[in-house]
Amino acid sequence: GDSVTQMEGPVTLSEEAFLTINCTYTATGYPSLFWYVQYPGEGLQLLLKATKADDKGSNKGFEATYRKETTSFHLEKGSVQVSDSAVYFCALSLLIQGAQKLVFGQGTRLTINP
Amino acid sequence: GAGVSQSPRYKVAKRGQDVALRCDPISGHVSLFWYQQALGQGPEFLTYFQNEAQLDKSGLPSDRFFAERPEGSVSTLKIQRTQQEDSAVYLCASSLREITDTQYFGPGTRLTVL
Repeated sequence: GDSVTQMEGPVTLSEEAFLTINCTYTATGYPSLFWYVQYPGEGLQLLLKATKADDKGSNKGFEATYRKETTSFHLEKGSVQVSDSAVYFCALSLLIQGAQKLVFGQGTRLTINP
Repeated sequence: GAGVSQSPRYKVAKRGQDVALRCDPISGHVSLFWYQQALGQGPEFLTYFQNEAQLDKSGLPSDRFFAERPEGSVSTLKIQRTQQEDSAVYLCASSLREITDTQYFGPGTRLTVL
């Protein structure tokens, strides 16, 4: 079935380091791909998305490119900040009954030290 | 404007008790989703409403779980005879139209069953 596999955490980096969080997916169709972020004590927030192959989603300095050939959607940021500490979820959407159902990875906890 | 709200934020129940979790979606949003997030895991789909119609309930783990959205706005997830394995965060999300893939999440209700 359709699924998402994320890089296991936790990931700990120093401020201004380069970040990559790997995400690969398995899907029968052509899903949209997402990164959601969950800050401590808050709900899930959409960080970025891409709806078709070779699309690049970007937001707040984060980027991810929809790679159909490698079925990947890796999250990157050139210089992380302490405020980026959160749990990051990769997800794909499946069209069912006219709506988009999300399938999530297990999450990667990121801690940025000053 | 107001986002998705959920209540209560925290619920402690004794095993065997019934609980009811409420979700107020963003006004005017047609689609409403419930997800279950176990500790350290990504959210998993439970059920989906389009207005008042429950179009998919394939993710409900047992017949002890029941969801409704009688007037196409507020939704309630009810769990009867709670078990320890029901302990999780229950997330509600809404989206504007049937095929819109951006879902907006509430803060969740953390249910602990003793």
